[in-house]
Amino acid sequence: GQQVMQIPQYQHVQEGEDFTTYCNSSTTLSNIQWYKQRPGGHPVFLIQLVKSGEVKKQKRLTFQFGEAKKNSSLHITATQTTDVGTYFCAGGGSWGKLQFGAGTQVVVTP
Amino acid sequence: SQTIHQWPATLVQPVGSPLSLECTVEGTSNPNLYWYRQAAGRGLQLLFYSVGIGQISSEVPQNLSASRPQDRQFILSSKKLLLSDSGFYLCAWSLTRDVGAFFGQGTRLTVV
Repeated sequence: GQQVMQIPQYQHVQEGEDFTTYCNSSTTLSNIQWYKQRPGGHPVFLIQLVKSGEVKKQKRLTFQFGEAKKNSSLHITATQTTDVGTYFCAGGGSWGKLQFGAGTQVVVTP
Repeated sequence: SQTIHQWPATLVQPVGSPLSLECTVEGTSNPNLYWYRQAAGRGLQLLFYSVGIGQISSEVPQNLSASRPQDRQFILSSKKLLLSDSGFYLCAWSLTRDVGAFFGQGTRLTVV
């Protein structure tokens, strides 16, 4: 079945630095979604990518969908303490069954 | 605007007791509804999803069940809780397939 892997599992970042988290699927995806979960909170939908090679930006966050629609990345520039949390990718395959990755837990050091 | 309500926020239940978690959505009609479970520090596991009243699909066989008695109401139940049922339960909705899902605040269930 479809599996979505996320790396790294943990990311320690100095405030002001950039980092990237990656999402890889064993199968071709119809779309990829990204969510952010703050500590103690619930996942919050950030964005969805649908087209091969698509790139979308939200302020300091850049999301990319691979050409083969099997991988995606989230790049954050100039990390801030507000970026702390766990970032999940979720791959859309067969009807509405989002397959979530295990997430990348981001810790920001001031 | 659409909102999703999930309660209770926290719950401590003894092993063998029943469970009922409720989720309601406002501001939309015929949403797709989901129940997810998240173990501590882990990803989200899809438990059930529903495309309409009375239509429930189960992803993981276990001692949990779900029902959708009304269009915007989704209920997660168990007749007898196990220790392994502890976790963070999240209800979510989406407008259609292949679009982002919006999560409720979640219920932290501890089975003791």
